Amino acid sequence: EDQVTQSPEALRLQEGESSSLNCSYTVSGLRGLFWYRQDPGKGPEFLFTLYSAGEEKEKERLKATLTKKESFLHITAPKPEDSATYLCAVHILTGGGNKLTFGTGTQLKVEL
Amino acid sequence: DTAVSQTPKYLVTQMGNDKSIKCEQNLGHDTMYWYKQDSKKFLKIMFSYNNKELIINETVPNRFSPKSPDKAHLNLHINSLELGDSAVYFCASSYLRGASTDTQYFGPGTRLTVL
Repeated sequence: EDQVTQSPEALRLQEGESSSLNCSYTVSGLRGLFWYRQDPGKGPEFLFTLYSAGEEKEKERLKATLTKKESFLHITAPKPEDSATYLCAVHILTGGGNKLTFGTGTQLKVEL
Repeated sequence: DTAVSQTPKYLVTQMGNDKSIKCEQNLGHDTMYWYKQDSKKFLKIMFSYNNKELIINETVPNRFSPKSPDKAHLNLHINSLELGDSAVYFCASSYLRGASTDTQYFGPGTRLTVL
């Protein structure tokens, strides 16, 4: 069965303290891996899509990487405004549909 | 400009009632989705429509009936509401081009509370 696992469940960082979030997956036929950011009371906001092992994408203090079994979201010198829940999702092609299977998320808190 | 919008934002109702949630997207996408996010923040797909045609139905009770009057709108009607239906419901949209992986854009969510 397709599975997406994120770790840690929660992470508390000091401002400027770099770290990484992990998303490991077990799926048959990965079409793409997505990272989203979700703020309290809001919908998920798209960050990155990664398609193949070795691919990397960057946006401000965030950098996403992909291997054959997992993806990392590296946060460099985080600021309090980076506090949010980070969700990863895998795209699986099923019956012609574009289905995303999500992990349970990592809740990140960045403190001054 | 709001890309994917949902109404209402909050919905509080009694068990056994029937309610609807509306979703509209102005991105020109041809595919729309409904997701349910439970109290543990787990987001799970319920339905997907492409050009008004149902293409994904993830073992959702028959009490849930999506309806797509056109490709810019996807509504969710829920009959005989139960306590376990309490959750946040998100609408999303994307392009669907064969097997390509197109980004899904999410609405702000509707928090449903069943008393």
